Amino acid sequence: EDQVTQSPEALRLQEGESSSLNCSYTVSGLRGLFWYRQDPGKGPEFLFTLYSAGEEKEKERLKATLTKKESFLHITAPKPEDSATYLCAVQAMYSGTYKYIFGTGTRLKVLA
Amino acid sequence: NAGVTQTPKFQVLKTGQSMTLQCAQDMNHEYMSWYRQDPGMGLRLIHYSVGAGITDQGEVPNGYNVSRSTTEDFPLRLLSAAPSQTSVYFCASSIRGNTEAFFGQGTRLTVV
Repeated sequence: EDQVTQSPEALRLQEGESSSLNCSYTVSGLRGLFWYRQDPGKGPEFLFTLYSAGEEKEKERLKATLTKKESFLHITAPKPEDSATYLCAVQAMYSGTYKYIFGTGTRLKVLA
Repeated sequence: NAGVTQTPKFQVLKTGQSMTLQCAQDMNHEYMSWYRQDPGMGLRLIHYSVGAGITDQGEVPNGYNVSRSTTEDFPLRLLSAAPSQTSVYFCASSIRGNTEAFFGQGTRLTVV
């Protein structure tokens, strides 16, 4: 069964304390891995897409990496405004159509 | 650009009532989808559409109907609301099925 597991469920960091979020997946025929940020009461907002093992993408304090079994979202020197839930989703082809499988997210709290 | 607009933002229904959640996008995206988000579970696909006049079922379609008469609009109909349909509903659109999704702000639905 195709599955996406994110860890940890919740993470509290001090401002400036770097860390990593994990997204492990089992899916046949991965077409892409997506990271989204979700603020309370809002819809998910796109961050990155990774397509192949070894690929890396960066945006400000965030860096996403991909291996054949997992992806990491590295947060360097986080600030309180980085507090949010980070969602990982894999995309695969089912019956000729692309579909997402979402993880349950990591709730990040950055303390000033 | 407004992006993806969902209405209403909040709704309370009585068991057995019907209603339509509205979703509109102004980006000329072909692919649109509806998800529900429940605590402890990832976003789950209800229905999706790959273009005007074409819809298909997702992971949890029971109790919901959709139609896509125009590129811009993709309403979700609850036929006879049940407490199990209490959730936050998100509409999303993308250029194609394999590109990043743009999400609306969500509709928080409570069925009593």
